[in-house]
Formats: sequence, structure tokens, C-alpha cells
Amino acid sequence: GAVVSQHPSWVICKSGTSVKIECRSLDFQATTMFWYRQFPKQSLMLMATSNEGSKATYEQGVEKDKFLINHASLTLSTLTVTSAHPEDSSFYICSARASDRSNQPQHFGDGTRLSIL
Amino acid sequence: SQKIEQNSEALNIQEGKTATLTCNYTNYSPAYLQWYRQDPGRGPVFLLLIRENEKEKRKERLKVTFDTTLKQSLFHITASQPADSATYLCALELGNAGKSTFGDGTTLTVKP
Repeated sequence: GAVVSQHPSWVICKSGTSVKIECRSLDFQATTMFWYRQFPKQSLMLMATSNEGSKATYEQGVEKDKFLINHASLTLSTLTVTSAHPEDSSFYICSARASDRSNQPQHFGDGTRLSIL
Repeated sequence: SQKIEQNSEALNIQEGKTATLTCNYTNYSPAYLQWYRQDPGRGPVFLLLIRENEKEKRKERLKVTFDTTLKQSLFHITASQPADSATYLCALELGNAGKSTFGDGTTLTVKP
């Protein structure tokens, strides 16, 4: 149980393109979803926390107009990287938690490798 | 400033030995500490969660300890196998914030 599906698994696109990444909880309802960014050999950096039906909470330094997050249902959150540039190339990972209680583990998707040319 | 340090970037051990990974933190008072496994190109997989009032937690060949005085967690894998080779991440959660802060990870290689 507790499967999170992230799509697409990799994207290569030209500079200036907007890219949408989907994160779905397949067998549970995710009250809270998280979006992370990870550089090679580095830790996961939290970008934002999204709760179903409300606006996402962004971490300091993350541009909300650049990284649009929508959590329209209890099983789907999307991250849109708008007007992507080469510096946005990274590994983006989502996670979902079954409740808003913090003692529950996060279940992660397999990530999206984004390469901007 | 707040900091999470995992003992070393890489740890190499022989099959059958016990692997011990360390997670130290400063300027945090976490309510929970979690350990995850991450394979290359994949998302992390949850392994164990330990609460601040728990000293030790076990799951099969895995054992986690949590010392809030030392501000340290130890993660042990007994009878290690080459399939245990991966990067292991510790994550702190403050309780009411609902979000986790991750360490940089330790890459474990178990040699046959």
C-alpha cells in the first residue's frame, strides 16, 4: 500500500517552456503533499507544502510564481515550472502523507528528472 | 543555525557485518526522526520512525536509536547484504510544522 506515482519520470525541453509534473497517491487520500528538489549527491530541499483545497506554503527563497503548485483533490497535486531555464534543471520529487498528523511517514514518488536545454 | 549531519558521505563494509550510520543535529528539538532509503534515480522509501520519547526501534534487521541528550540517532543494519547498498537519509520533524528536514545522506556499499 501507500503508492505515490509521479509523472513524467524525465523531461527534456527547450528554455522558456513550461513543464507540468503530476503527483498522484494511488491507494490512499493525501491530505498533505510536499514538493522537493534534489541536486546530485545532495539532500532533498523542500520547496513547498500543499494541502488539498488551499494555497501551497512555499519555503523561503522559492518563487511561487515560478513554481506553481495545485492540489485540487485528495489524490493529485501538480507542480508547474513556468518558463523553465537551464538553472531549473534538477530532480524534482513529490511526497504524500495520508493525514495531517506529523507522525505519519511520507510516501515518495520516483521523481522527475528535468533537463532544460 | 540549525544543522543535520550524517556521519560520512560514504561507508563501505563487508557482507555480514553490521553497518552503523549516524545522524547528528544541532539547534533542533525534533518530535520525530525518520530514516529513509534512496536508490539512484528513485524517490526515498520510508524505513523507520522513532519518537522523541522512544530510545530504540527495531524492524527485522534494522535498528534505530534516538538520544535527545546527545542529539543523535544511530541506524544499524545487521547481517548486511549487498542489496542493502543505497543512500540512507535521516529526517527530522518538529511535530507541529508537519514538514521534514533531511540530512545529506550516507551512501552505504556492502561488498560481497
